[in-house]
Amino acid sequence: AQSVAQPEDQVNVAEGNPLTVKCTYSVSGNPYLFWYVQYPNRGLQFLLKYITGDNLVKGSYGFEAEFNKSQTSFHLKKPSALVSDSALYFCAVRERPNYGQNFVFGPGTRLSVLP
Amino acid sequence: DTAVSQTPKYLVTQMGNDKSIKCEQNLGHDTMYWYKQDSKKFLKIMFSYNNKELIINETVPNRFSPKSPDKAHLNLHINSLELGDSAVYFCASSQDDEVNTEAFFGQGTRLTVV
Repeated sequence: AQSVAQPEDQVNVAEGNPLTVKCTYSVSGNPYLFWYVQYPNRGLQFLLKYITGDNLVKGSYGFEAEFNKSQTSFHLKKPSALVSDSALYFCAVRERPNYGQNFVFGPGTRLSVLP
Repeated sequence: DTAVSQTPKYLVTQMGNDKSIKCEQNLGHDTMYWYKQDSKKFLKIMFSYNNKELIINETVPNRFSPKSPDKAHLNLHINSLELGDSAVYFCASSQDDEVNTEAFFGQGTRLTVV
């Protein structure tokens, strides 16, 4: 069975500092990994994904994530945080797309960027 | 044009009522989903459909019945609503080829049962 852990409920970072939001996963086959962001009273917005290839993937709004197979991790990073990055971040995993198979989400990490 | 749209955005209703939430996607995707987000923000799959065929039916009370009249629509009907059904319900869709694997989400429907 697939599962995702986000070990931190909350991450606080000062504006302009680098940020990291952690994610580890468990899946039997090759993982497809995703990061989503949710702003208050909004749906989930797709940020980036890892399918195959380069372990460092770049996404929207200056975010990037690093896939580490040996550590089964897919941490989200940004070199310089903005106050507007404050939101709820979800990591998700699915196995090789098998029509209709679902995305399994982590519990979410609330990011607060302090001015 | 909104890619995945849900209606209504807010739904307040009394216990015991029957209600429906509609979802439409204009992305040409083959797969659609319903997720439930509880008060702690956990997201849990309820149903998935691929080309109108039910693929996933998680442990959801049979008061919840999805209907997919075509691959662009996936509606959720809920009978005999209970207080515990209060949550935000998200519709999503995905294409599911080798590259385009991400899901796109609607804005959510906040259901409050009183």
